[in-house]
Amino acid sequence: DSGVTQTPKHLITATGQRVTLRCSPRSGDLSVYWYQQSLDQGLQFLIQYYNGEERAKGNILERFSAQQFPDLHSELNLSSLELGDSALYFCASSDSDPISGANVLTFGAGSRLTVL
Amino acid sequence: QKEVEQDPGPLSVPEGAIVSLNCTYSNSAFQYFMWYRQYSRKGPELLMYTYSSGNKEDGRFTAQVDKSSKYISLFIRDSQPSDSATYLCAMSAIDNAGNMLTFGGGTRLMVKP
Repeated sequence: DSGVTQTPKHLITATGQRVTLRCSPRSGDLSVYWYQQSLDQGLQFLIQYYNGEERAKGNILERFSAQQFPDLHSELNLSSLELGDSALYFCASSDSDPISGANVLTFGAGSRLTVL
Repeated sequence: QKEVEQDPGPLSVPEGAIVSLNCTYSNSAFQYFMWYRQYSRKGPELLMYTYSSGNKEDGRFTAQVDKSSKYISLFIRDSQPSDSATYLCAMSAIDNAGNMLTFGGGTRLMVKP
């Protein structure tokens, strides 16, 4: 157990629907990152939060959004889902401010999304 | 061309072999280099972390960074079936956007008993 908790583990839904993925970071970690992993694209950085504030955006679609709450948990919202959104979505956390040093991430077990 | 290139494999070796896993990169600003191991249906876990050039050893694992060639390696000695996993290299550079990690596509390793 890495200490990063992601729910749900598996999710099957239909095109056009909306889902929310949840992440609780390791105790004490202020930074939360979201990654998408698909077979053909590898691990793609989506978005990062530090202590409730958005710090960086990667290749995140406009249909996707995220937020980090005061208790530091984070949610990734995926809407108007398409078949191509089927992937593993990982949350990772870090105890370092991303601009101050190396970014060592601890990953959760992931949420597997299947869009039918 | 991707910023970080990694041979996807699969790489199949017999138990006890020395394994060499490699990544090349194009961004000369990368300063931090990591190797993650990912078992099937699990999240990546950090194996090794190095800063700038040089070698780092941890048990059966050795990480090497050659910044002049933009090339990093992970060596596994006395490989075990439990080492069978996908190995991801990752690297970052401190810039105005923060030091985001860029991952390679991963190399799948199979160690056969």
